[in-house]
Amino acid sequence: AQTVTQSQPEMSVQEAETVTLSCTYDTSESDYYLFWYKQPPSRQMILVIRQEAYKQQNATENRFSVNFQKAAKSFSLKISDSQLGDAAMYFCAYRGDSNYQLIWGAGTKLIIKP
Amino acid sequence: DTGVSQDPRHKITKRGQNVTFRCDPISEHNRLYWYRQTLGQGPEFLTYFQNEAQLEKSRLLSDRFSAERPKGSFSTLEIQRTEQGDSAMYLCASSLKGDTQYFGPGTRLTVL
Repeated sequence: AQTVTQSQPEMSVQEAETVTLSCTYDTSESDYYLFWYKQPPSRQMILVIRQEAYKQQNATENRFSVNFQKAAKSFSLKISDSQLGDAAMYFCAYRGDSNYQLIWGAGTKLIIKP
Repeated sequence: DTGVSQDPRHKITKRGQNVTFRCDPISEHNRLYWYRQTLGQGPEFLTYFQNEAQLEKSRLLSDRFSAERPKGSFSTLEIQRTEQGDSAMYLCASSLKGDTQYFGPGTRLTVL
């Protein structure tokens, strides 16, 4: 069975600095998708970035980028120029190519210090 | 495109009562998913629909839980004889085919 592990329950960063959130996963599938979602307090889950496993190039969305290491089964999220609005729970999620359910990590709470 | 909507946003009920939640997906999204999220945890998959067909159900979905998606549009999730352990946030998401899932605001259930 696939699993997703986020080993950092909480991270803090100074506003305007860069922070990296870690995620590792376990799977025997060769084709799959990885996602980072953001869940602000009392607000809905929002997609931050997605990565297809067959793509070697790391995905980037403005200040958000990933470091996808397929052999190491690692999928970290880098947030550059952190802003107060980035404060939220960040969840890493996995979806197999033949299965449509998302498998989630436990989340990392990101605190932005002004 | 108005996004995924869920109703109600909050529900407080007494143990043993039945509750029903509704989810309206993004129009033209043919896949609809239900997840459950307890405090401080990541979501857990419950079930998903492709159009009106319920294609997968988690072992978490006991006999007290039932979901429907008549006509492949909105979906309902019913919990019968609620228990305190059912207290959680119930999230709905939709996607176009197997693409990215977009989430609604959730329904927070509290069972007293």
